[in-house]
Amino acid sequence: GAVVSQHPSRVICKSGTSVKIECRSLDFQATTMFWYRQFPKQSLMLMATSNEGSKATYEQGVEKDKFLINHASLTLSTLTVTSAHPEDSSFYICSARDPWAGGPENEQFFGPGTRLTVL
Amino acid sequence: AQTVTQSQPEMSVQEAETVTLSCTYDTSESNYYLFWYKQPPSRQMILVIRQEAYKQQNATENRFSVNFQKAAKSFSLKISDSQLGDTAMYFCAFMKPTGTASKLTFGTGTRLQVTL
Repeated sequence: GAVVSQHPSRVICKSGTSVKIECRSLDFQATTMFWYRQFPKQSLMLMATSNEGSKATYEQGVEKDKFLINHASLTLSTLTVTSAHPEDSSFYICSARDPWAGGPENEQFFGPGTRLTVL
Repeated sequence: AQTVTQSQPEMSVQEAETVTLSCTYDTSESNYYLFWYKQPPSRQMILVIRQEAYKQQNATENRFSVNFQKAAKSFSLKISDSQLGDTAMYFCAFMKPTGTASKLTFGTGTRLQVTL
């Protein structure tokens, strides 16, 4: 299957700083990418849908000024956590949709995740 | 809005035995897709199996099969000949097809431990 990478895999930052997480589709062009947040021992919660060349669509309750999403190319989406605080500490996962893949509505391929710790 | 319920937070099975994980969902849609994803300790999400709601035949992928009961809105996963590598969190997920913006709704997960 298609490969999606995330960078960094782990990041520790001080409260008040901003952190950028990259999500890349390595062997396909992804018109749509998704960003999820996963707390320990919990499920994945969709934060936003990122479409190349347009503004992201945020889920209810997600602060768009806090979690900035940019999908500037067909292979890269970034999530920037602005003015991070300890409550933003979590595991962030992206997925990318391959428009040429078979399967229902084009299968989503997941990145390995990024663990963010805010001190 | 769609909801997905996994009522078994944790399960354990011995190696080579069979285990069934349950999932129910709530939707008013007639056309949709259901998935089981595996998340091992590495945290990498892996697609295990998918089912199209319009197909009556249950999906099968090697040792993994589903029991899809559309009227009951039930979608259970059966793992046969369990292996130590099957130890993971398993998430049931629902998707309503709406084009490129189709989103996955995940259940709360079942932690499966395969023992010797």
